[in-house]
Parts: sequence; C-alpha cells; structure tokens
Amino acid sequence: DTGVSQNPRHKITKRGQNVTFRCDPISEHNRLYWYRQTLGQGPEFLTYFQNEAQLEKSRLLSDRFSAERPKGSFSTLEIQRTEQGDSAMYLCASSSRDRRNTEAFFGQGTRLTVV
Amino acid sequence: GDSVTQMEGPVTLSEEAFLTINCTYTATGYPSLFWYVQYPGEGLQLLLKATKADDKGSNKGFEATYRKETTSFHLEKGSVQVSDSAVYFCARRTGANNLFFGTGTRLTVIP
Repeated sequence: DTGVSQNPRHKITKRGQNVTFRCDPISEHNRLYWYRQTLGQGPEFLTYFQNEAQLEKSRLLSDRFSAERPKGSFSTLEIQRTEQGDSAMYLCASSSRDRRNTEAFFGQGTRLTVV
Repeated sequence: GDSVTQMEGPVTLSEEAFLTINCTYTATGYPSLFWYVQYPGEGLQLLLKATKADDKGSNKGFEATYRKETTSFHLEKGSVQVSDSAVYFCARRTGANNLFFGTGTRLTVIP
C-alpha cells in the first residue's frame, strides 16, 4: 500500500465550472476525511466518512460541495459552479477505527486554482 | 470555542540551534494533541502525539509535553538540522474525531 492517493494533483478551472477530485485511502482504513487548506493557514475540516456513511459535515461545506464514498473505499469531492474563493489545496486523510492507533494519514492533496 | 493557537512564523535558525514552537489550546476536557509536519512538496505527516495530560510525545529528536495546567503542547528540539526545514502544525482532536489545526509555523534552518 502506497498510502493515501489523491488525483489529480493539480486542477485549473474556469469560474463556474464543476470539478471532481478523487481520494483513495489506505486500504484497511474505514475512516476518511476531507480538509481544505488555503495559503498560510492550517487545514480546515470539511467532512468525514465512516465506511460509506457521511457522519459529519462542516459549515464550510456549502451546498455547492458534495462528497461521496459509495462503497466505503475511495471517495470523491465535487465542487459545482466553482468560485475564485474555492482556490485552495484539498486534502484527504484516512484512519483506522482501531482505538490503539487512530493516526490520520494524509495524501499530498489536490491544488485547485479557479481563474 | 475550542481552538489551537500556534506561534507565528516564519522562524529562521542556524543549524544546531535550539527550537521551540509554542502551541496552546482551548477545549472542554482533555483532547489528544498532535504535531504534524509538512516538508516541501510533501503531504502532512504525523510527527508526534500525546493522548493525555503529562504525556510526552517524541520522534526524530522532537519532543512535546501535554501540560493541562498551561493548556500547552510546545514543540522542542535541542539541535535542529537543515533537513528539519518545513511547516509545523499543532492540532487537537475534536469530539467528532476530526482534527483542528493551528495556522502552521514555517521553520527554515540555515547551515
């Protein structure tokens, strides 16, 4: 297993277009998280899945954002009608439900630029 | 509300200097605390953690002690190397099992 994988690594899109990002977590991890990181800031939580269930969504996740994890494995994050303020690094992380080790492992992120 | 306040950077040190990056938190109860590191061009990596008061996390020569009296989790290293140049994030676990991060501190170590 090569860790958490995110695709694409970079995405440039025109304002108003829709974009979709993919995250493949570590295979035995049942928890998956999405974060957003803007320049000079720490990552901010967006949403969390346990298996295929989306258990929590941040207020940052406007109705233009939707995340899915249909089979409890990979996840997608879609942003509709992108705005310049959506430009950021989108990070995915996964963790195990093992109470002895709940470390979150992060992917390298997808950098979105909205022009 | 709950938060993490981290020392602002950037921090520039000479090789072998002593490093301290301050981190304080506010929370109800005693959340698990973490330091993550982001090397240039790489993803966030867990550096160390502490899950309860008075615990000391350590890794790669870095240490941080969970101090409930001062609600702090300061990161220290006795002798930094050029390879330690990175952005360091303090974080706490929330009740909902996700992470709340500080704003990050960029460290540059010069030879």
